[in-house]
Amino acid sequence: DAKTTQPNSMESNEEEPVHLPCNHSTISGTDYIHWYRQLPSQGPEYVIHGLTSNVNNRMASLAIAEDRKSSTLILHRATLRDAAVYYCILEFLQGAQKLVFGQGTRLTINP
Amino acid sequence: EAEVAQSPRYKITEKSQAVAFWCDPISGHATLYWYRQILGQGPELLVQFQDESVVDDSQLPKDRFSAERLKGVDSTLKIQPAELGDSAMYLCASSLNRWISGQEQYFGPGTRLTVT
Repeated sequence: DAKTTQPNSMESNEEEPVHLPCNHSTISGTDYIHWYRQLPSQGPEYVIHGLTSNVNNRMASLAIAEDRKSSTLILHRATLRDAAVYYCILEFLQGAQKLVFGQGTRLTINP
Repeated sequence: EAEVAQSPRYKITEKSQAVAFWCDPISGHATLYWYRQILGQGPELLVQFQDESVVDDSQLPKDRFSAERLKGVDSTLKIQPAELGDSAMYLCASSLNRWISGQEQYFGPGTRLTVT
């Protein structure tokens, strides 16, 4: 299974942008890059996903490096409700859509 | 907005007892997943269903765990007998269809199991 590497924790301030990095040097050409987040005592929640091009949605932006070996999740204006564990995951099919979660990055937002 | 339902939300059981968890996916979702999440770690896939068929149970401890999705809608995960190491959050998720790449998985709130 292709693996991702993320910092264990990051800290930012409310109303400032946050850039969460992810390395995935063994990514293959058909692997999608997904980001999920998990708030305390809740199930994971989908944030965004992409394949090659940068993506934007109402929650965040995903910037994918040209060689696809790394990506960055961007929260444009963090709020206290964005404090969560953020998981960067490579989706590979192999006959079944499968997400392999790592440890994730614990994001702390300071007021 | 449609949600994945799970019950119970919390369960305390004694070692060697049987325990069962229930999941009702979003209507129309063909693929259903059961994950286990140990405190401080990311979720780990236990079993995946496409309709009523198991398509991946490689990480399911089959000597004590079983899962079924008889009519291809709701699902039950059972542990018998429970062991102390089974204490964890059990998460259910669903998606439209496993053959569609780049799709979202929707997670339920989970069942927190404590084995004493």
